[in-house]
Amino acid sequence: GNSVTQMEGPVTLSEEAFLTINCTYTATGYPSLFWYVQYPGEGLQLLLKATKADDKGSNKGFEATYRKETTSFHLEKGSVQVSDSAVYFCALSDQGGKLIFGQGTELSVKP
Amino acid sequence: DVKVTQSSRYLVKRTGEKVFLECVQDMDHENMFWYRQDPGLGLRLIYFSYDVKMKEKGDIPEGYSVSREKKERFSLILESASTNQTSMYLCASSFPRLADSYNEQFFGPGTRLTVL
Repeated sequence: GNSVTQMEGPVTLSEEAFLTINCTYTATGYPSLFWYVQYPGEGLQLLLKATKADDKGSNKGFEATYRKETTSFHLEKGSVQVSDSAVYFCALSDQGGKLIFGQGTELSVKP
Repeated sequence: DVKVTQSSRYLVKRTGEKVFLECVQDMDHENMFWYRQDPGLGLRLIYFSYDVKMKEKGDIPEGYSVSREKKERFSLILESASTNQTSMYLCASSFPRLADSYNEQFFGPGTRLTVL
């Protein structure tokens, strides 16, 4: 079946550090891929998405590229800020439009 | 902007009580979903609905039921709450799946339920 695996957290970085959160997936067909972010005390918000192989999603300085050959969708940011502290979820959309989520990665950015 | 609202941010209930969690969306979305979120497990799908009066079981439907009498409202029901149902519950909605497999879901703020 379809599944998503994320790197375990928590991840603690200093402000302006480079961020990578790994995400790999298993799926039949050609799913769409998503990164959602959950700030403390809030629901999930879509951060970025990619709908086909080699697509790059980007938003708020974050990027992720849909890599079919490695079944990956790693999240990157060149310089994190304290305000990026949140939980990040990788997800894929299956044929029926349902989302399958990874377990989430908590990011803490220190000043 | 799409708005998905949930009836309560925090709820405390006793074991055996019947619990209703309400979700309302204002974007005329066909699809609605209920998830529970637990540390280390991510989000797990409980039930979803593609239309009024339709419901489908997700990955963990045991102990839950749902109701969708109106398009904008999707209710999650815990018939007899138990302590292992203490969790964060998130509601989401979306338009129908498009041909290119893209289907973004919009989430409510969540209800943190504690069952004592």
